[in-house]
Amino acid sequence: DIQMTQSPSTLSASVGDRVTITCRASQSFSSWLAWYQQKPGKAPKLLIYKASSLESGVPSRFSGSGSGSEFTLTISSLQPDDFATYYCQHYSSYSLAFGQGTKVEIK
Amino acid sequence: QVQLVESGGGVVQPGRSLRLSCAASGFTFSDCAMHWVRQAPGKGLEWVAIISYDGTNKYYADSVKGRFTISRDNSQNTLHLQMNTLRAEDTAVYSCVRVRRGYNYVDYWGQGTLVTVSS
Repeated sequence: DIQMTQSPSTLSASVGDRVTITCRASQSFSSWLAWYQQKPGKAPKLLIYKASSLESGVPSRFSGSGSGSEFTLTISSLQPDDFATYYCQHYSSYSLAFGQGTKVEIK
Repeated sequence: QVQLVESGGGVVQPGRSLRLSCAASGFTFSDCAMHWVRQAPGKGLEWVAIISYDGTNKYYADSVKGRFTISRDNSQNTLHLQMNTLRAEDTAVYSCVRVRRGYNYVDYWGQGTLVTVSS
């Protein structure tokens, strides 16, 4: 089974900062990697799929990159609405594997 | 719009059973594979099980294999999770999640139903 490891676990940043979250996989795979945003008490929201494709309606300040076993989510200019927990996820036709999450806090 | 509404959660003693349901609307349910994903209080997301669009293929996380069964009724647009021999570590919010048609990634999540396993 593929294991996903995110870093950092917590990130303190200010509005306007550029933020990068990294996700590493225990084994290499194609681009079957998604990123989600979750706010307390809410369902996760899809941001990025296929490693770098922006979901419809998601602001362009969010971007994804990477391949193989290392992927990144970048928020180009952090906005007040972006303080949340972010999860990476490997998906396949028979399972999902999540990173442990990165909480983005106000500095 | 896409709606996924879970039900059936509650407090149950260790070793007992519970059946969760997810009512889907706003899309062609029979076109989409579906997952169950859980989140223990204050913890991260954990995948539980997947079922193919027609119910013929099912896969489970090792932590629930042999105890949980995923099923679906496409005539009723409903997804189920039968949970047997429940353990304290199964305590979590259980959410049904849609796989985008034609792809393998998930796009819509329900709000979830809380299962608490406690004596």
